[in-house]
Amino acid sequence: SQQGEEDPQALSIQEGENATMNCSYKTSINNLQWYRQNSGRGLVHLILIRSNEREKHSGRLRVTLDTSKKSSSLLITASRAADTASYFCATTGNTGKLIFGQGTTLQVKP
Amino acid sequence: NAGVMQNPRHLVRRRGQEARLRCSPMKGHSHVYWYRQLPEEGLKFMVYLQKENIIDESGMPKERFSAEFPKEGPSILRIQQVVRGDSAAYFCASSPIRTGEGNEQFFGPGTRLTVL
Repeated sequence: SQQGEEDPQALSIQEGENATMNCSYKTSINNLQWYRQNSGRGLVHLILIRSNEREKHSGRLRVTLDTSKKSSSLLITASRAADTASYFCATTGNTGKLIFGQGTTLQVKP
Repeated sequence: NAGVMQNPRHLVRRRGQEARLRCSPMKGHSHVYWYRQLPEEGLKFMVYLQKENIIDESGMPKERFSAEFPKEGPSILRIQQVVRGDSAAYFCASSPIRTGEGNEQFFGPGTRLTVL
């Protein structure tokens, strides 16, 4: 399998705190993407980071990529109750299919 | 521009029946991907189609499952003689070009299949 692990599997924090999720993968990549899934819904694309980038920001999101360690992290700053969801990293396999990790379930308590 | 549409949203079938899941990609998108999500798990790739062609079906079980994306109309994922293990959420995603260097996939809301 190209995809590795995500950790933690579950994360519970208070509103206003930061949340950090990690993702590891096994093979070389062109890019890595993060998606969000609200309970019972489809996935929404959050951010894409290319293999030649080390860090990327989008609003309250910060993604890092370390290709030497084959790992990525997603940081959500100043979390809100509405950030409660599952977060998945995905790499792009040959033919363009997405290969997802197991995901991190984030609960933000108001 | 409407998003990716899937129907039905919920489907209940008895063992041995057939399930047909439909996906209408976003307007202008000719690339369709199907994924399956078992409870408490991540999404697993099943099949990738481009209009009238199956490009990659490496994630689809060899038996009972088939997919098509005709020139006109939605993409169809068909499961024959369903078994309880087929119970899952099935998601369709589309993109205007093949996902590669820097483009995302747009996901539909999914079809939740329950096999009794």
